[in-house]
Amino acid sequence: GAGVSQSPSNKVTEKGKDVELRCDPISGHTALYWYRQSLGQGLEFLIYFQGNSAPDKSGLPSDRFSAERTGGSVSTLTIQRTQQEDSAVYLCASSDLGYQETQYFGPGTRLLVL
Amino acid sequence: LAKTTQPISMDSYEGQEVNITCSHNNIATNDYITWYQQFPSQGPRFIIQGYKTKVTNEVASLFIPADRKSSTLSLPRVSLSDTAVYYCLVGPSYSGAGSYQLTFGKGTKLSVIP
Repeated sequence: GAGVSQSPSNKVTEKGKDVELRCDPISGHTALYWYRQSLGQGLEFLIYFQGNSAPDKSGLPSDRFSAERTGGSVSTLTIQRTQQEDSAVYLCASSDLGYQETQYFGPGTRLLVL
Repeated sequence: LAKTTQPISMDSYEGQEVNITCSHNNIATNDYITWYQQFPSQGPRFIIQGYKTKVTNEVASLFIPADRKSSTLSLPRVSLSDTAVYYCLVGPSYSGAGSYQLTFGKGTKLSVIP
């Protein structure tokens, strides 16, 4: 079917507010990844899901960040009490079986915290 | 974690072959090397993946020496449309039982000049 989709495409929020970013992976892909890309920077790995399980959450920048995946499909990245340094593009990717498989990236959500 | 190092930028004229090298001195035995291409305002796109020696596809070649401490992405006869940022990815790297990390390089900005 379609590629990886993310919503919203853009999000502007005020410092201290909570935000939820959504990722719809390619249908049937068991692995899902979240990355953060600050302006002009490389990709920072945040978390990986195999099915609904995230074996390692240590890549999340702080305890204000959390992620979940339900039904082996949609994933939500939640940032609580947003800070200005959270402003970045948040990219989601999925792959067929696991981490050594080709990752297909979504277009990203551009988050701006004022 | 397998840290990667790439040149920040490269310039090339159209029609030339471009070689981008990524250093990954502490690559682990089960790590693969993957290269992605990213255009502005888009998510990265898979180019090529390898474990050792040489891999070639319709877009690029990937050269990996026997010690696997570096890899070189080769783009034959580049065109203006190859202007993009190229990322080297090494992974997975296990930091413990059930732990998992992916490490992208900071990317090489390739500018193709007419």
